Amino acid sequence: ETGVTQSPTHLIKTRGQQVTLRCSSQSGHNTVSWYQQALGQGPQFIFQYYREEENGRGNFPPRFSGLQFPNYSSELNVNALELDDSALYLCASSPGGQVSYEKLFFGSGTQLSVL
Amino acid sequence: GQQVMQIPQYQHVQEGEDFTTYCNSSTTLSNIQWYKQRPGGHPVFLIQLVKSGEVKKQKRLTFQFGEAKKNSSLHITATQTTDVGTYFCAGVRAVAAGNKLTFGGGTRVLVKP
Repeated sequence: ETGVTQSPTHLIKTRGQQVTLRCSSQSGHNTVSWYQQALGQGPQFIFQYYREEENGRGNFPPRFSGLQFPNYSSELNVNALELDDSALYLCASSPGGQVSYEKLFFGSGTQLSVL
Repeated sequence: GQQVMQIPQYQHVQEGEDFTTYCNSSTTLSNIQWYKQRPGGHPVFLIQLVKSGEVKKQKRLTFQFGEAKKNSSLHITATQTTDVGTYFCAGVRAVAAGNKLTFGGGTRVLVKP
C-alpha cells in the first residue's frame, strides 16, 4: 500500500457532464501528479501540483483543471465530458516537487466511464 | 514533444526463460524510472537510473541506462508467474518542463507455466 487514496473507485457519467475526482497524498508528500491511462496504454501526464500551485501541465485541454489544498490533497475536475475521456485516472504523490528525480507513489485510480 | 517507445508491446515467456524489454526516447533524458503494473492494479515503482551507462540489479531483474541516456532496458532472468504484468519505463527530459514523467506504452508480460 502506498498511502495514496483516490475516490471514487468507479464512476459512470454521460457526455457533457462534469466530474470531480479526489486524491489524498501520502503523509509527508507535498506534490501530487495526475495521469490519464486509457485501456492498454501507458499513463499520460495531465498536470502536477506542488504546494497548491500548478507545476507543469501535459497536452490536455483547459476543461481538465485541478486544485491542491493546504493539506496537499488534490482534485481533478473535467468539464464537458467526452467519450474519449473514459479511462483510469491515476493520482501519484511524491515527497518534494521541484526535483524531477523522485519516484511516484500511485493510488489505485478512479475508473471513469463516459457514455 | 517527447516520445518514449517500448518494445515489444507483448512478451509471451515460458516460465524459467529470460527476456528483455527495451525503452527508447526521442530526446536525451535526465533520468529514467521503471514501474510495474499488475493486471487491474496501479503502477508500482521498481527502480530509477540517473547516470549514463548505469546498471542496477534487483534479484532477477537487471536495469540498464544507455550511454547516450536515450534508451534503457530491463532484463528478467528465470521468469516466474509472479512476473506477470505490464512494465513501463518513464523518462524525464534533460531540459525538464514541469517535472513530468513521460511513460512509454509498456510491455505486457504473460508467463506460460
